[in-house]
Amino acid sequence: EPEVTQTPSHQVTQMGQEVILRCVPISNHLYFYWYRQILGQKVEFLVSFYNNEISEKSEIFDDQFSVERPDGSNFTLKIRSTKLEDSAMYFCASSPPQGLNTEAFFGQGTRLTVV
Amino acid sequence: DAKTTQPPSMDCAEGRAANLPCNHSTISGNEYVYWYRQIHSQGPQYIIHGLKNNETNEMASLIITEDRKSSTLILPHATLRDTAVYYCIVSSFYNQGGKLIFGQGTELSVKP
Repeated sequence: EPEVTQTPSHQVTQMGQEVILRCVPISNHLYFYWYRQILGQKVEFLVSFYNNEISEKSEIFDDQFSVERPDGSNFTLKIRSTKLEDSAMYFCASSPPQGLNTEAFFGQGTRLTVV
Repeated sequence: DAKTTQPPSMDCAEGRAANLPCNHSTISGNEYVYWYRQIHSQGPQYIIHGLKNNETNEMASLIITEDRKSSTLILPHATLRDTAVYYCIVSSFYNQGGKLIFGQGTELSVKP
């Protein structure tokens, strides 16, 4: 069964460093998303991406964050100058081109720890 | 903020049906009801979605009231592996580009 894959599964970084979280969405999907979940809290929407541009972003997704689809298979989230409060699970998701209402498929997440 | 209300927790005996309620009284005409679940800290897993008709798939059934203000997710024969947090989400892909707003969900504990 096709699945969304995320790498690495766990990333530890020093405060102030830049990190790139990588995702390979399901191959025929056209809509891509990043969510995050701080330990013990809700899953929060960060950004959606379609047709090589951001279609929607939340208040969390400020200038510190950026997304890119550098080739036909990868979808990345870059966090510049990480802060302690960026420590969270980051989930990538993708949706198929099946009309106006469809489900999202999530990866298993990258646990980011900022020290 | 999430537009749904769910009980924070529920218990269910293994092998019995688990009925998880959700209130979404402010749902608009083009919004679907989605159910996802999250086991431990894994990525959320899609279960089912519907607009106004009842829906069934290999995982669950979704019953939506006629006025669409509430719904119930039914896991017909719960197993220990169904222990998870279940999220009821209303969303319009057309208006929101597939964005999902997660609430606190219902923590379902399936007990032997």
